[in-house]
Amino acid sequence: SQTIHQWPATLVQPVGSPLSLECTVEGTSNPNLYWYRQAAGRGLQLLFYSVGIGQISSEVPQNLSASRPQDRQFILSSKKLLLSDSGFYLCAWSRTGRFYGYTFGSGTRLTVV
Amino acid sequence: TQLLEQSPQFLSIQEGENLTVYCNSSSVFSSLQWYRQEPGEGPVLLVTVVTGGEVKKLKRLTFQFGDARKDSSLHITAAQPGDTGLYLCAGARNRDDKIIFGKGTRLHILP
Repeated sequence: SQTIHQWPATLVQPVGSPLSLECTVEGTSNPNLYWYRQAAGRGLQLLFYSVGIGQISSEVPQNLSASRPQDRQFILSSKKLLLSDSGFYLCAWSRTGRFYGYTFGSGTRLTVV
Repeated sequence: TQLLEQSPQFLSIQEGENLTVYCNSSSVFSSLQWYRQEPGEGPVLLVTVVTGGEVKKLKRLTFQFGDARKDSSLHITAAQPGDTGLYLCAGARNRDDKIIFGKGTRLHILP
């Protein structure tokens, strides 16, 4: 069966510090991978998605970047965090081809102080 | 512009009551999904509907996709406290497209 792992679960970082959130998928190959941010009352905002190794599409210009160094690994990064980067970050995967829905990780609560 | 409008935003009802929440759009979707999210967790996929007029049942939950594939509803019969959570609808406009989420309906079932 397929599983998705996301860590850490919670993170408190000072303004200006770097960020690295990691997501890995097991039990499938060549998944589509996604990073979302969820803010209270604003729903889920798509940040990045990837259809293959090294292929990253950005949806929203911002202080964040994403990388996919391996088929089942997706990393969200920042060189210098802003207060506005606080939020609940979710990684998700879906099958390539016909769309059946997303499987989400358990999320990372990031607080920038 | 919010392409998927969910209503109501908040709903608090007594255990045992029935309820319906809605997901509406002016756009046509090739498929639509419903997710439930609990605090501090990621959303969990409940159902995917792909055919206009399709009805799917998951125990006490009934999902319907509108005939024109622009809207959907979720009906819960005899709500239980375990149904409490944020219900999100999400639509894909093409078969391989990334999906668009609504802002969700926060449901609270009182014991």
